[in-house]
Amino acid sequence: DTEVTQTPKHLVMGMTNKKSLKCEQHMGHRAMYWYKQKAKKPPELMFVYSYEKLSINESVPSRFSPECPNSSLLNLHLHALQPEDSALYLCASSQEVGRGTGELFFGEGSRLTVL
Amino acid sequence: GENVEQHPSTLSVQEGDSAVIKCTYSDSASNYFPWYKQELGKRPQLIIDIRSNVGEKKDQRIAVTLNKTAKHFSLHITETQPEDSAVYFCAPRYGNKLVFGAGTILRVKS
Repeated sequence: DTEVTQTPKHLVMGMTNKKSLKCEQHMGHRAMYWYKQKAKKPPELMFVYSYEKLSINESVPSRFSPECPNSSLLNLHLHALQPEDSALYLCASSQEVGRGTGELFFGEGSRLTVL
Repeated sequence: GENVEQHPSTLSVQEGDSAVIKCTYSDSASNYFPWYKQELGKRPQLIIDIRSNVGEKKDQRIAVTLNKTAKHFSLHITETQPEDSAVYFCAPRYGNKLVFGAGTILRVKS
């Protein structure tokens, strides 16, 4: 299994809602990532988890809250988002942070619209 | 700092021609230099990568060359086909993360 699976594929939420994005991989990877991608822009790193511990937080606003319940799962909890947070949220995994092949395996993304 | 520049931003070629995309990185990039391809509406996928102890790597129609002195690496696609049309990102590694370039839109006209 070389897949990273993300749910939901699409999400529409109001600014007062609380929702979560989910990501799962079964490749035995120990590093997992959240990226944000706006239209016609590159993926922008938000968070990195290494061995289930938060390794990098790229100064992301606290309305985004990551969680890594175990080595296969990664969540992104969303609360009080703004319309400018509308984007494609990509999850990725790799063997380890900064080592190994370095290849990132991306999920198909969750397209978020904030009204 | 983490400064990555990618050129050109768009590139149109005739089917069968070659395409070259260049990525320039700042000093602190470490030893890993990949290229990702993202087709419209799809996820980014690694197409080729190179480590700093190697100058060139080839995989069929795709090659990557690395010039450590000049701090740039380039993606070469030969005999382009319509399915090569996509956005290509370089993503040199800085510490524990990849920093993506702005992307190059490649259009292959048949």
